[in-house]
Amino acid sequence: QKEVEQNSGPLSVPEGAIASLNCTYSDRGSQSFFWYRQYSGKSPELIMFIYSNGDKEDGRFTAQLNKASQYVSLLIRDSQPSDSATYLCAVRGGGADGLTFGKGTHLIIQP
Amino acid sequence: EAGVAQSPRYKIIEKRQSVAFWCNPISGHATLYWYQQILGQGPKLLIQFQNNGVVDDSQLPKDRFSAERLKGVDSTLKIQPAKLEDSAVYLCASSLVRGTDWSGGEQFFGPGTRLTVL
Repeated sequence: QKEVEQNSGPLSVPEGAIASLNCTYSDRGSQSFFWYRQYSGKSPELIMFIYSNGDKEDGRFTAQLNKASQYVSLLIRDSQPSDSATYLCAVRGGGADGLTFGKGTHLIIQP
Repeated sequence: EAGVAQSPRYKIIEKRQSVAFWCNPISGHATLYWYQQILGQGPKLLIQFQNNGVVDDSQLPKDRFSAERLKGVDSTLKIQPAKLEDSAVYLCASSLVRGTDWSGGEQFFGPGTRLTVL
């Protein structure tokens, strides 16, 4: 049974600071990792994905992957109030296409 | 490019009734997924289609849930009979291709159908 663990929060970060969101996964066969943002009452929207160990940057977002530690993180630089949402970590791999999601971390950016 | 379409957006039914949800994926997307998201949880995969064939339905409660994608485009998910614990948002997602372990297959979600079972 694949498991994806996230701290549910809420995580409160001042505006302009770096928000750091973390995720661990249980299945060592997992190969691709996704971060989705979900505003209250809305559907998840893809922020970015990462497949290789190391960092991947896209604008204010950086995803970090450490397969040895089974750990994925998302950094949001220069946090804005509009970044306040639930961030879902999702994992795919081991021959399956469907994503296994964590419960999400509720992020609050304080103006 | 139009996104994933779903209907209805909201549905309220009594337990033991039946209900059906409809999804139309992004044009050209061969892979279609149905997820169930209970309040406070992440989405849980129910079923995956590749064109009109089922790839994975291991987490679909087959005694009450069924899904089809007859022409390889739009899809319906049915619950019969509904239980209180089926109250959730049902999300449809699509992807252009099946992802490999290394690339591709990014999934895009529709707005969801919020089901309340009384």
